[in-house]
Amino acid sequence: QQQVKQSPQSLIVQKGGISIINCAYENTAFDYFPWYQQFPGKGPALLIAIRPDVSEKKEGRFTISFNKSAKQFSLHIMDSQPGDSATYFCAARGFLKTSGSRLTFGEGTQLTVNP
Amino acid sequence: DTAVSQTPKYLVTQMGNDKSIKCEQNLGHDTMYWYKQDSKKFLKIMFSYNNKELIINETVPNRFSPKSPDKAHLNLHINSLELGDSAVYFCASSQRTISYEQYFGPGTRLTVT
Repeated sequence: QQQVKQSPQSLIVQKGGISIINCAYENTAFDYFPWYQQFPGKGPALLIAIRPDVSEKKEGRFTISFNKSAKQFSLHIMDSQPGDSATYFCAARGFLKTSGSRLTFGEGTQLTVNP
Repeated sequence: DTAVSQTPKYLVTQMGNDKSIKCEQNLGHDTMYWYKQDSKKFLKIMFSYNNKELIINETVPNRFSPKSPDKAHLNLHINSLELGDSAVYFCASSQRTISYEQYFGPGTRLTVT
C-alpha cells in the first residue's frame, strides 16, 4: 500500500530529446507527489511536485502528468540536456496514524543525456 | 550558506566499532529525517523528528539511535557496526506542514570493513 513503483530503471536520451519517467502507486490516500533529482555525490533535491487534483504541472522544461484514475504519474523532461543527467526519484506523501506524514520513494531512474 | 550540513562526509571504519554522524539545518524547519540509500540508490526513511520528538521510527536495528538535542540538529549514532550498514546516510529537513518538500544534506558515505 505504501509502495511507489518507478520505471525505467535507466534511460538514455539524446540531447534535445524528451525524457519520460513513469511511476505508479496503490495508496489513494497519498496527497502529494514530488519528484527529486540527485546528482552524483549530492543529496536529492526537490524538482517539482503535484497534488492529485491537478492533471498537469509545468516548470520550465519539466512537466508532471498525473492520472488519478490510473494511479500513475510521470515526469517529462523536454529538450533534455547533458546537464540533466542524474538520478530521478518519484515520491508520494502519505500519512500514518502513528507517525504522521512520510515520503515513500520510487526506486530511481538513472538518466543519461548524450551530447 | 549551507542549508543542511552533515559531518563527516566519508566514514570508513571496522566492524564492531561505534560511530556517529551529525546533522545541522539552518532553514528554521521543525522536522528532520534520516534516510539510508543503499548501493542500488534506494532511499528509505529511518527516523523522523518533529520539534525534538521522535515521530517515525522505521524497522531499523536497535544499534541505530537518533538524538535531537534541538530543532536544528539531528545526530545518528550507530553501535557495533556491521558490513551491511555500509551505505550513504542522508539527513533532511522540512516544515511539517510541507513535508513533501524536503531539503537533503550532502550525505555521509559509511564504509564498514
